[in-house]
Amino acid sequence: TQLLEQSPQFLSIQEGENLTVYCNSSSVFSSLQWYRQEPGEGPVLLVTVVTGGEVKKLKRLTFQFGDARKDSSLHITAAQPGDTGLYLCAGANYGGSQGNLIFGKGTKLSVKP
Amino acid sequence: ETGVTQTPRHLVMGMTNKKSLKCEQHLGHNAMYWYKQSAKKPLELMFVYNFKEQTENNSVPSRFSPECPNSSHLFLHLHTLQPEDSALYLCASRQGGGNEQFFGPGTRLTVL
Repeated sequence: TQLLEQSPQFLSIQEGENLTVYCNSSSVFSSLQWYRQEPGEGPVLLVTVVTGGEVKKLKRLTFQFGDARKDSSLHITAAQPGDTGLYLCAGANYGGSQGNLIFGKGTKLSVKP
Repeated sequence: ETGVTQTPRHLVMGMTNKKSLKCEQHLGHNAMYWYKQSAKKPLELMFVYNFKEQTENNSVPSRFSPECPNSSHLFLHLHTLQPEDSALYLCASRQGGGNEQFFGPGTRLTVL
């Protein structure tokens, strides 16, 4: 069974701090996606990474896909209260059903003003 | 309407009730999904439909019955649910050939 482990599970920081969230697996994924989910809403896609070693930036968010396509990280610079939410990583696997995703449990981020 | 919509947003039902959740996608996608999201658990895939055909049933109890009349609409019919079925039910859609899924806002279901 493929699993995606996210860490930390919870993170509470002050506005302006930097943080990194990790998503790790022993399995190789063809692509990996990051979502942010706010309370009472569905996950919103932030980015998809496809190539091993790929780095993508979305304003203050930097996403990296591991060289071996087994892990990924999300780094937020100068966090803002608006960054608060549940961050989910999801991997698309080579061997499974096309288009189906494996989700991590998520990292719940709270940014205090 | 744009994206993926779900109704109702909140639902409270007794264990003997029958209710239905509705999902509609306005993205022209041809795959649709039902997920269950409970506290402290990863998103659980329930059902997958491709071009209106069910391609995956992830060992979901028969008290959950999906229906996909066309590529834009997906229903989840509920009957004789249990309190442990209380959760956020999320619908998602995907364009064939891609891996990115787009989610609706979910239905918060409470079973009394």
